[in-house]
Parts: sequence; C-alpha cells; structure tokens
Amino acid sequence: AQSVTQLGSHVSVSEGALVLLRCNYSSSVPPYLFWYVQYPNQGLQLLLKYTTGATLVKGINGFEAEFKKSETSFHLTKPSAHMSDAAEYFCAVISNSGYSTLTFGKGTMLLVSP
Amino acid sequence: DGGITQSPKYLFRKEGQNVTLSCEQNLNHDAMYWYRQDPGQGLRLIYYSQIVNDFQKGDIAEGYSVSREKKESFPLTVTSAQKNPTAFYLCASSAQGALPGETQYFGPGTRLLVL
Repeated sequence: AQSVTQLGSHVSVSEGALVLLRCNYSSSVPPYLFWYVQYPNQGLQLLLKYTTGATLVKGINGFEAEFKKSETSFHLTKPSAHMSDAAEYFCAVISNSGYSTLTFGKGTMLLVSP
Repeated sequence: DGGITQSPKYLFRKEGQNVTLSCEQNLNHDAMYWYRQDPGQGLRLIYYSQIVNDFQKGDIAEGYSVSREKKESFPLTVTSAQKNPTAFYLCASSAQGALPGETQYFGPGTRLLVL
C-alpha cells in the first residue's frame, strides 16, 4: 500500500527565507504526487502535482517541487517566504491502481515570522 | 461560480444521535469523496463514489454511511456507532475518479462537535 511521510510537523522560517517542506512516499507503482495547502478552518487547495514528464513541477504562489524517484521524495520549495504562506501543507499520493483515492501525509504547519 | 459547498459549517451532535453532513457540487464531476481530518493525523478517507448509486468504503468507514442518489450530492451520515465523531469533515470531488492523477477539489469543510 502507498504511504506518505512528511518530516517535521512544524517548520519555522523568517520572511524572505527559503521554504523547504519534505515529503517521502512509498508506492509499489509509479506514483502520482500532490501538494495541497490549507488555511485555518478552510478546505484544501491544490498547489501543484506530478503525474508524468518533467520532474520539476511549478505550482501556484511561487512554489515548486521536484520528483526524485531514486530518493522517493517530492519536497516542496519556495525561494522566498511571505507572511501569507503561513498555513498547513499536505503531501499526498495516488496509487496507479485504477481508482484515484488519495493517501495524505500528516501535514506540516509552516510558520513565517517577520 | 462552480464549486463544492458543505453545510452546515458547524454541527453539534448529542449522544446517540445520527447527524447528516451535506455536500453538493456543481462541477459536473462523477467522483466524490469524504475525508476526516484530526489534528496531527492528516486526512483519512471515509467513503468515495465514482458514479451515481455506487460507493466504496475507505480506510475508516465504520460508524459512517453515505448515499449517492444524485450526481451532484453525496451526504455523509455520522451514526451513533461512531464513538469519536469530533473532527473536521471535508468533501471533495474529481472529474472521473477512475483516472490516476486527477485533481481532487475540496469543499470548505464541516466541523462536528459532540455535546
């Protein structure tokens, strides 16, 4: 079965600093990978996804992620953090097994200080 | 505007009571999903439906029931058998549900509290 591990339940950065949120996955088939963002008491919004093709994926709000098969990783980065980036971020994987249910990581709360 | 609506935003349940959470979408999506979110646990799949009149159990279906009588609606009932129902419940939909890599779109959620 597929699984997702997000390292660090909380990550703190200063405004303008690099954001790095880590995600490692386990899947017996080539994975389809997602990053979602959740603001307090709201639903989830898709940041970006990897399906096939280019391994560096660009998303909304200046975020990007790189799929590294050899490391089974899909880390999320942003060169310069903004106060509005403070939110919870979820990495998720879909198994290529005929239906599209998502398995989520436990989430990483990003804290941005001025 | 196309999207997913969930109601109510907050819901209170008494002991032994069944409650129903509403989820409606006007995206013309075939597939719909229910997730439960607990602090520090991420999201866990309760039920999903790929087509009208058909649905499948997810990872934590015990104590929950669903129906899919209309394409746009996928209500979730939290029964009295669910002993720890306090959580944030999220509904989602995707275009077909049978193609890997589809984006799931989420509603704003319903927070269920036990009195």
